[in-house]
Amino acid sequence: GAGVSQTPSNKVTEKGKYVELRCDPISGHTALYWYRQSLGQGPEFLIYFQGTGAADDSGLPNDRFFAVRPEGSVSTLKIQRTERGDSAVYLCASSARGGTYYEQYFGPGTRLTVT
Amino acid sequence: ILNVEQSPQSLHVQEGDSTNFTCSFPSSNFYALHWYRWETAKSPEALFVMTLNGDEKKKGRISATLNTKEGYSYLYIKGSQPEDSATYLCAFSTDSWGKLQFGAGTQVVVTP
Repeated sequence: GAGVSQTPSNKVTEKGKYVELRCDPISGHTALYWYRQSLGQGPEFLIYFQGTGAADDSGLPNDRFFAVRPEGSVSTLKIQRTERGDSAVYLCASSARGGTYYEQYFGPGTRLTVT
Repeated sequence: ILNVEQSPQSLHVQEGDSTNFTCSFPSSNFYALHWYRWETAKSPEALFVMTLNGDEKKKGRISATLNTKEGYSYLYIKGSQPEDSATYLCAFSTDSWGKLQFGAGTQVVVTP
């Protein structure tokens, strides 16, 4: 079946602009995660949804970052007043119940460049 | 150890040679240790999830071991092939649903 998809694959924006990144999880997956990978580092957790609600948003770096999942499927990560330090690959993953561990399946990421 | 650490940062391997690299993680509040392979322009692909001390997992020429008491895992690639070239990420979790804490990865380049 279809995997996790993310759009756009690449986004270039100017400092101060607003951007939205979209994630389509695997159909039926109740959990959805956002991570970002900055150059030279591993992916860093941002936020996790269980259904429509954010179960853990402890990784969002500041109030410029916001994410929604209104119908429990597609999620949008929103970044206001972008800064050059927001440049990174933004990864989305989804997960469903199965066995004793809920494996996370990743999308290919959105590469965000803030100029 | 408070964070997930991977070493070395990068490896260059001749085709046919075997190699291994390390992931160190906090030994407290352990739930699971994951290994992912991430090729350029593709999605990170799950290789293994390990939850028990002493676990050993194998997938083709790739295998992994886990020591939760001392907080480390090894990934082994036997008879490396060019298609094994990728960044290998390990990640640590403290519960079944929650966030993964990733290391910075080991970049493996296999040359013919």
